[in-house]
Amino acid sequence: QQQVKQSPQSLIVQKGGISIINCAYENTAFDYFPWYQQFPGKGPALLIAIRPDVSEKKEGRFTISFNKSAKQFSLHIMDSQPGDSATYFCAASRRGNKLVFGAGTILRVKS
Amino acid sequence: GAGVSQSPSNKVTEKGKDVELRCDPISGHTALYWYRQRLGQGLEFLIYFQGNSAPDKSGLPSDRFSAERTGESVSTLTIQRTQQEDSAVYLCASSLGGFYNEQFFGPGTRLTVL
Repeated sequence: QQQVKQSPQSLIVQKGGISIINCAYENTAFDYFPWYQQFPGKGPALLIAIRPDVSEKKEGRFTISFNKSAKQFSLHIMDSQPGDSATYFCAASRRGNKLVFGAGTILRVKS
Repeated sequence: GAGVSQSPSNKVTEKGKDVELRCDPISGHTALYWYRQRLGQGLEFLIYFQGNSAPDKSGLPSDRFSAERTGESVSTLTIQRTQQEDSAVYLCASSLGGFYNEQFFGPGTRLTVL
């Protein structure tokens, strides 16, 4: 019940395209859903986060869509750029503390 | 300002040896977390310190793992009698504490157990 399932495992997108990464969770007590971006040799950095009181949150080219009834959430990267090439992790937690992470998606944006 | 720092950046040890990994959180951050990241996998929660409260050790995989924190500053993760399956990147994060605050991650310590 603590798992967060993330897909796809890897993704190749053309420059300017839309990158979409999906996650599903099981624990209905989770109320905080962040996305992290990680470059090789670095720690993860928070990209954007959502609480279940809204169905969508947008920050620049990054949008989280949240479906509470389906227990799913997704990250959309609009106008994807080569600099977006990184590993993306979704996570979930209750109250923002002990994060449960998905397995990660390796994104490559081709120029 | 300085972010979360961790040392050493890399550690190679022999099976059966003990290792200590250090984390210096962002100044003023009352919460500190340790996570483990195995190759090609997501991060796994290990332990969580919040102020002077008893730490949440629910993620520690065995009694060979322990961690301490001095007040609201430095933390040390100790792994005794290391095993090959302990090889991973160990990441520390800190936050302002309370609820829903961003966790800031350090660069990690890559542990290799031969």
